[in-house]
Amino acid sequence: SQKIEQNSEALNIQEGKTATLTCNYTNYSPAYLQWYRQDPGRGPVFLLLIRENEKEKRKERLKVTFDTTLKQSLFHITASQPADSATYLCALDITSGTYKYIFGTGTRLKVLA
Amino acid sequence: DGGITQSPKYLFRKEGQNVTLSCEQNLNHDAMYWYRQDPGQGLRLIYYSQIVNDFQKGDIAEGYSVSREKKESFPLTVTSAQKNPTAFYLCATHPTSGKTQYFGPGTRLLVL
Repeated sequence: SQKIEQNSEALNIQEGKTATLTCNYTNYSPAYLQWYRQDPGRGPVFLLLIRENEKEKRKERLKVTFDTTLKQSLFHITASQPADSATYLCALDITSGTYKYIFGTGTRLKVLA
Repeated sequence: DGGITQSPKYLFRKEGQNVTLSCEQNLNHDAMYWYRQDPGQGLRLIYYSQIVNDFQKGDIAEGYSVSREKKESFPLTVTSAQKNPTAFYLCATHPTSGKTQYFGPGTRLLVL
């Protein structure tokens, strides 16, 4: 079955540094991969989407890479700020045409001032 | 949270009781979803609906039921058959032309 793995341990980094989060998947070749941010007690919010034929995508301080050979996506936040502290989820489309997704467990990021 | 409303924010269920979680959207999206989130387990799909009057089971549908009588509404009933209902429940929508899910604020269900 399809499986997504994200760092289950929380990631603590110092303000101003670059945070790098990992998403690994198995048993599937998704057409695209998405990253979401979730704050405690709230619903996830979409951040970035990267397609299988794209190596890298950027949005302001965010950067996502997608290596379909390694079956891995990396999510970077540069010049991190305490306000970036949240849980970050990756998601894959698993059934073409039905918009059905599988989500990772998420990585909790804490940016220390 | 956009145009997705979930109510109530907190819901308490007694043993043997059925409870219904509301999800309403004004985004005019065709597809709607219900997920369950437990600590350390991520989001798991309960049911989804791509069109009015049609819905499909997700990975953990047992003990749950849904209806989709209107495009705007996709209520989820947690039945007494669901033995471990305590979780954070998230409703989401998806536009036909897009590739992003939009989530509601969630309902936390607790068992008394």
